Amino acid sequence: GENVEQHPSTLSVQEGDSAVIKCTYSDSASNYFPWYKQELGKGPQLIIDIRSNVGEKKDQRIAVTLNKTAKHFSLHITETQPEDSAVYFCAASAGFQKLVFGTGTRLLVSP
Amino acid sequence: DAGVTQSPTHLIKTRGQHVTLRCSPISGHKSVSWYQQVLGQGPQFIFQYYEKEERGRGNFPDRFSARQFPNYSSELNVNALLLGDSALYLCASSFRGQGSETQYFGPGTRLLVL
Repeated sequence: GENVEQHPSTLSVQEGDSAVIKCTYSDSASNYFPWYKQELGKGPQLIIDIRSNVGEKKDQRIAVTLNKTAKHFSLHITETQPEDSAVYFCAASAGFQKLVFGTGTRLLVSP
Repeated sequence: DAGVTQSPTHLIKTRGQHVTLRCSPISGHKSVSWYQQVLGQGPQFIFQYYEKEERGRGNFPDRFSARQFPNYSSELNVNALLLGDSALYLCASSFRGQGSETQYFGPGTRLLVL
């Protein structure tokens, strides 16, 4: 079955810096790759997603890139702010709606 | 507009008991999925339901069961609770339950088994 690896597990940056989180997946049939942000005590919130027919997608300070050949995708956050501090999860899906999640990255943005 | 709602928010049970968790999807959404999130890990897929039919099942024992009602709300049932069932149980909804459709998560039910 699908396996998603996510790195790094923790990431500390200064406010205004960029943050990059990387994920790799194993199932070449995966065609949908969402990123979720989870704050303490809350459910995951979708921040951006990309489908396999697109190589890059951007939404203001957030961008995601997808390399299907290498089977990896990345989240880029520019001009980080303290409110970006949270746990970020990547996920992959092939076919029906079973999302396979990575292990999470704890992002800490210091003022 | 209301998002996905789940009840209860917190629950404490003892080993061997049974628990029922409830989920109401976003209005107009017909698919509900359940995930288990153990502390410090990513969510793990348990079930997906669409139009009251089970569409997918994850690698969980038969103690876990679910159903979807005509109004598209859903229940997750867990029998013979084990300490390892302590986790955050998340419900997610989508419009048609298609593979590349966005899933929206609720706040979760935190279950503690003593």
